[in-house]
Amino acid sequence: GAVVSQHPSWVICKSGTSVKIECRSLDFQATTMFWYRQFPKQSLMLMATSNEGSKATYEQGVEKDKFLINHASLTLSTLTVTSAHPEDSSFYICSARDRIAGGLSSFFGPGTRLTVL
Amino acid sequence: ILNVEQSPQSLHVQEGDSTNFTCSFPSSNFYALHWYRWETAKSPEALFVMTLNGDEKKKGRISATLNTKEGYSYLYIKGSQPEDSATYLCALYSSASKIIFGSGTRLSIRP
Repeated sequence: GAVVSQHPSWVICKSGTSVKIECRSLDFQATTMFWYRQFPKQSLMLMATSNEGSKATYEQGVEKDKFLINHASLTLSTLTVTSAHPEDSSFYICSARDRIAGGLSSFFGPGTRLTVL
Repeated sequence: ILNVEQSPQSLHVQEGDSTNFTCSFPSSNFYALHWYRWETAKSPEALFVMTLNGDEKKKGRISATLNTKEGYSYLYIKGSQPEDSATYLCALYSSASKIIFGSGTRLSIRP
């Protein structure tokens, strides 16, 4: 089946540093990847939609200069949290849509737990 | 602001019993609905994609129905097993790339 990996699975960093999270589709090509954030006891919130070779589309209220998204290939999208602060501590999860299969179905990675001290 | 609500938030069911839970959404913004099962420490797994009013989908002991006119979907689990313990998420698509998740129903099966 379709597998999406995320790296790292967890990260602890100091306030002010930048953290890069990778999302890879391992056995399929993904023209579209989605990045979500989940705060404790809340829903997954869509942050941005990332299309291969073009700029990401950010949801209202998500700072594009804070959360840099790069989707340079059909199997890799990266989310960089720049100048991270404690309020950025959250669970970040990506999903990828299969280019060949099409449709709306997307496959999720296992997520990345970010803790900013 | 679109809101997708799931109820109940958590559910404890005896092994072998059947159960169901609800996903409610604004009917005017419907494009598609997804159900996912999310086990701890794993990736959310897609269960169903539902697009048409009256849709009924089934996968083993799990089934789902959709009513887009009144804005709800039910997920049913027949004869619950311990491996059904997970959080069940529904996600409303208001377009192909606008997705809103509910907060999930956490299901625990008691052996």
